[in-house]
Amino acid sequence: AQTVTQSQPEMSVQEAETVTLSCTYDTSESNYYLFWYKQPPSRQMILVIRQEAYKQQNATENRFSVNFQKAAKSFSLKISDSQLGDTAMYFCAFSLMNRDDKIIFGKGTRLHILP
Amino acid sequence: GAVVSQHPSRVICKSGTSVKIECRSLDFQATTMFWYRQFPKQSLMLMATSNEGSKATYEQGVEKDKFLINHASLTLSTLTVTSAHPEDSSFYICSSHRRADTQYFGPGTRLTVL
Repeated sequence: AQTVTQSQPEMSVQEAETVTLSCTYDTSESNYYLFWYKQPPSRQMILVIRQEAYKQQNATENRFSVNFQKAAKSFSLKISDSQLGDTAMYFCAFSLMNRDDKIIFGKGTRLHILP
Repeated sequence: GAVVSQHPSRVICKSGTSVKIECRSLDFQATTMFWYRQFPKQSLMLMATSNEGSKATYEQGVEKDKFLINHASLTLSTLTVTSAHPEDSSFYICSSHRRADTQYFGPGTRLTVL
């Protein structure tokens, strides 16, 4: 069975700083997807970034980037130039590569961006 | 615009009554949809996988007679909380997958059972 672990329940950083959220996972599969989702106070789940396990290159989306270490089963999210709107709950998630496969979520990290 | 909708967004009911929550895939046909439950400040817990034209697959510990799921069409799945009690109060979220790497989540339904 696959598991996703986020060891930082809560973090706070000053606006404009860089912050890294940690995530580790466990699986015996070699092909899978990893995701970071953001859940703001509205509670709407928003995809931040995704990574295909077969790709060595780390995914990047504007101010968001990941450090994907497949052998270590680590998938951290770096937010550069943090903004007040980044304040949210962040979930690391795992899915196998079939469309009908479920997503497994970590417990989440609550991120506060301070003015 | 929204790809997955949920209705209602908020519902308050009396203990013992049943509540139906609808989840619609607006932009594509979905043979599979997923139902999650989220308690305050916690993660999403998968309750069940809704399969069009067949029975839902429930996660361990989820009462299938309590949480009835019907996926009657390729765009609609419903979750009915039967004989609701205060402990069923929660935030319920559905999702639909266009592809394995592209999931869309509904805006959620806040259920309060008095």
